[in-house]
Amino acid sequence: RKEVEQDPGPFNVPEGATVAFNCTYSNSASQSFFWYRQDCRKEPKLLMSVYSSGNEDGRFTAQLNRASQYISLLIRDSKLSDSATYLCVVKGGNKLVFGAGTILRVKS
Amino acid sequence: EPEVTQTPSHQVTQMGQEVILRCVPISNHLYFYWYRQILGQKVEFLVSFYNNEISEKSEIFDDQFSVERPDGSNFTLKIRSTKLEDSAMYFCASSVLTYEQYFGPGTRLTVT
Repeated sequence: RKEVEQDPGPFNVPEGATVAFNCTYSNSASQSFFWYRQDCRKEPKLLMSVYSSGNEDGRFTAQLNRASQYISLLIRDSKLSDSATYLCVVKGGNKLVFGAGTILRVKS
Repeated sequence: EPEVTQTPSHQVTQMGQEVILRCVPISNHLYFYWYRQILGQKVEFLVSFYNNEISEKSEIFDDQFSVERPDGSNFTLKIRSTKLEDSAMYFCASSVLTYEQYFGPGTRLTVT
């Protein structure tokens, strides 16, 4: 089983749509959880940390279910600039373990 | 906003040559990391560094690789004898504590 699994997509959505990404992780001892975004051939950029209680940052909402080892990201009112690869990331020890990413394409 | 910087942005080298990739972490950060991403694949952890020593390393980080903090600002990754399969984007990252890690723009290494 992969350490962090994501649906690779691509998700093709119109501007203004709501889109949700899911992720599962295998290591129940994982301590911290994040969503990063990565534009083509660029570095991963931290989008948001994910807390057990769930958290929201503007149009972005992240949820964590430790019992199911499941993480989600919801993007509301999608913008063209949201087009990117969204990386589910789990921290264990000192290292970040990345999923392969979900591609989002927002079209006008 | 403080950023991690990396040089060079692109390095082309011949198989068997040594390369040094350089990073300047964010100034008040204490933890430093190297990751790599082979084209079309996921980002993979190589090594973490704290208090002038390696705190964790992956299986990828074998004897060909070494890291160093030669002064108060730079953090380097050396590959002693490059192989074709070392071709990848190499990202440096840093963090204040061991929580949120911020990545540099990467060095694209091409081994021919």
